[in-house]
This record gives sequence, structure tokens and C-alpha cells, in this order.
Amino acid sequence: AQSVTQPDIHITVSEGASLELRCNYSYGATPYLFWYVQSPGQGLQLLLKYFSGDTLVQGIKGFEAEFKRSQSSFNLRKPSVHWSDAAEYFCAVGAETAAGNKLTFGGGTRVLVKP
Amino acid sequence: EAQVTQNPRYLITVTGKKLTVTCSQNMNHEYMSWYRQDPGLGLRQIYYSMNVEVTDKGDVPEGYKVSRKEKRNFPLILESPSPNQTSLYFCASTDVNTGELFFGEGSRLTVL
Repeated sequence: AQSVTQPDIHITVSEGASLELRCNYSYGATPYLFWYVQSPGQGLQLLLKYFSGDTLVQGIKGFEAEFKRSQSSFNLRKPSVHWSDAAEYFCAVGAETAAGNKLTFGGGTRVLVKP
Repeated sequence: EAQVTQNPRYLITVTGKKLTVTCSQNMNHEYMSWYRQDPGLGLRQIYYSMNVEVTDKGDVPEGYKVSRKEKRNFPLILESPSPNQTSLYFCASTDVNTGELFFGEGSRLTVL
């Protein structure tokens, strides 16, 4: 069964600084990988996804993520954080199962942005 | 506009009083699912449905029921809610071609 670990529960970053959120997954085959963002009181919005091909994936809002098979990681990065990036971020791994696509989520990383 | 709509968004109820959280999607997706979100645990799948009249348990199905009588609707039923079902619930609809989930805005349920 697949699993996802987000080692950092909270991260505080200054506005304008760079941000990197860690994600490690466990899955036997090539995974589908996702990053979702949840702003306060909102649902989840897809930031980016990796299925195959180029291991550096560009997403919305200036985010990117890099798939590293050797490290079983899919870390999310942003070069310069804006106050509006304060939110909770979830990494997820998807798998084709007999029951269709299933996503398994990490526990989330809450990002606080200091002015 | 592609949407997943849940109702109610907020609900406070008491132990044992049956309730239903509705979910509707307008993307003609076959695959729908319910998740609950709890601090530190991320989202865990409760039930999913691959198509009309086809449903199955996810990772945390105890205390919940679902039905899928129409493609667009996938209600979550709590027959006898208990305080440990206090949580934030999300309905999701999946584009099986991309694997992407589209989420509703969430329903925050408190069981006293």
C-alpha cells in the first residue's frame, strides 16, 4: 500500500524568502504525485501533478516540484513567497488499483508567512 | 464552471441524530469519494464510488454509509453520529483520465 510522509508540520517563512516543502512517498511502482493547497476555510486546490516525463513540474501560483525517484521524494518549492501563500499544503500519491484511482495524502504542512 | 457542491457547510448535531451530507458534481465523473480531514492525519478516504450503484469502503468507513443512485450525487450518511466523527469532510470527484481530484469546499461537522 502507498503512503506519504510530510516531515514538517509547520514552517514559518518571511515574505519574499524561498520555500521548500518536503514530501516522501512509498509506492511500489511509478507513482502519480500531487500537491494540493488548502487556504483557511477553503477546499483543496491542485497546485501541480506529476505523472511521467520531465521530473521538474511547474504548477500554478509560481510553485514547482521535483520528482526524485532515487530519494522517493516530491518536494515543493517556491522562489519568493507572498503573504497569500499562507495555507496548508498536502502531498498525495495516486495509484491505479482495481478500485480505480486512489489518492493517499500526507499529514500536511502548515505554512505561516511573516511580513 | 466545474464544481463539486457540498451541503451543509457547517453542522452541529447531537449524538445519535441521523444526518446526511449531500454532494453533487457537474463534471459527469464516474468516480466520486468522501474524505475526512483531521489535524495531523491529512485526508483519509471514507467511501468511494466507481459508478452508479457501485460503492465500496475506503480506509475509515466505520459509522458511515453512502449511496449512488445518480451519477452526479453521492451523499454521505451518518446513521448514528458519535463525537469521534467530529471532523471536516470533503467530497471529491475524480477525472479518471488524469487522476486529478476535484474537491468540494468541505463540511465541518461537530457532534456533541
